[in-house]
Parts: sequence; structure tokens; C-alpha cells
Amino acid sequence: GAGVSQSPSNKVTEKGKDVELRCDPISGHTALYWYRQSLGQGLEFLIYFQGNSAPDKSGLPSDRFSAERTGGSVSTLTIQRTQQEDSAVYLCASSHYGQGTYEQYFGPGTRLTVT
Amino acid sequence: GQSLEQPSEVTAVEGAIVQINCTYQTSGFYGLSWYQQHDGGAPTFLSYNALDGLEETGRFSSFLSRSDSYGYLLLQELQMKDSASYFCAGASGGSYIPTFGRGTSLIVHP
Repeated sequence: GAGVSQSPSNKVTEKGKDVELRCDPISGHTALYWYRQSLGQGLEFLIYFQGNSAPDKSGLPSDRFSAERTGGSVSTLTIQRTQQEDSAVYLCASSHYGQGTYEQYFGPGTRLTVT
Repeated sequence: GQSLEQPSEVTAVEGAIVQINCTYQTSGFYGLSWYQQHDGGAPTFLSYNALDGLEETGRFSSFLSRSDSYGYLLLQELQMKDSASYFCAGASGGSYIPTFGRGTSLIVHP
């Protein structure tokens, strides 16, 4: 079946502009995670959605970052007033409820470059 | 908080065996997962150890010792395509959010 998809695959934006990154999780997966990965670094947790529960936003680095998940499926990560330090690969992952603690399915990521 | 430590880089030759270690500091740890990520690609799940001991999946094996807060990924009969980054990850304390190690870059030489 279809895996996790993300769009766009690459995004170049000017400092100060807003960007929206999209994630389509695997159908039926109720858990959805966003991560940020800088060059040669590990995965930095950003936000976690589970079903209709309030998201865990504890990883968002600043109030310029926000995310929503509509209908328990597609999610959008929005970065307002982008800064150069926001340049990274943004990864989305999904899983069944509880499965994400040990096995997540990742999308190909969106490479964001802020000039 | 949680932290998982792993070496930044490991090199080996084709056909050899290599072990990538991961130590963690956390309480109420659920278990240890391993992911593989090729350059420019998405992380893909390799294995998970919920219990102490060795789990084998083809050329890859993973080990966990809770008493030592330690685990490793063992790759046998190395192939050039195994060159990638390998991440250990784990969750604990009632959280559904795993913490990832910084990753180990495995370089396989011919």
C-alpha cells in the first residue's frame, strides 16, 4: 500500500516568509509525528498527534512553528517568519496507536532552505 | 529526560561484521528500536527489542541489556549498500514519543 507522503520535496524560501509543509500519513494510522533533522544530526521531535486528542507540542522550538491535522489524516506544519536556522529536513512519520513508541513509518521529508 | 548515546562513525570492509552500540539513560524504558537512513532518504525501521537478549532478522541482529542500559545493532556479511546512518531510539515513562540517538554513520569499504 501507499506509504507516508510529504510535499513539497524541496522548498527554498526567503528569510521572513511563511511556509507550509504537508504530510499524508498511511491510511488508518492514528498517530502522526513531525521531526526536524539538520545536516548530519539526529531527529529532533517537534509535535505529536494521536487521533482526536490534543497534540503534544512540547518539541516546537518557538511560537513561529505550528501544526494542525485535519480529519485525523493530513497534517500541515507551518513555519512563520522563517529564519536561516530553520533550514533542515522536516520529516513526518505515522503509526498505529501506541506503535510509534517502537516502530514508525517515515515519509521522504521536505528539505527546507531559508536564504 | 532521556538520552541515547551512539558513536558518530564506524567504518568496516565489505564482508565483515560490525557492531553499533547504543547506551541510554532513562527510567521506565520500554525498549530499543533501530532505524536505517541512507543519504537523502527516509529512516526505515530495522528492529525492536522489548526484552533482553538477541533478536535476529537476516543479516541484522539487535541486542538489549536493560541491566546495563545498553544495546547494539550487529550487521553481518557487510555489503556496500549497508553504508548508511543508523539510529537507536527509545521511549519511556508513559510517553508515546521516542527519543532518537544522534546516529552512527557506517562506511563500508570494498
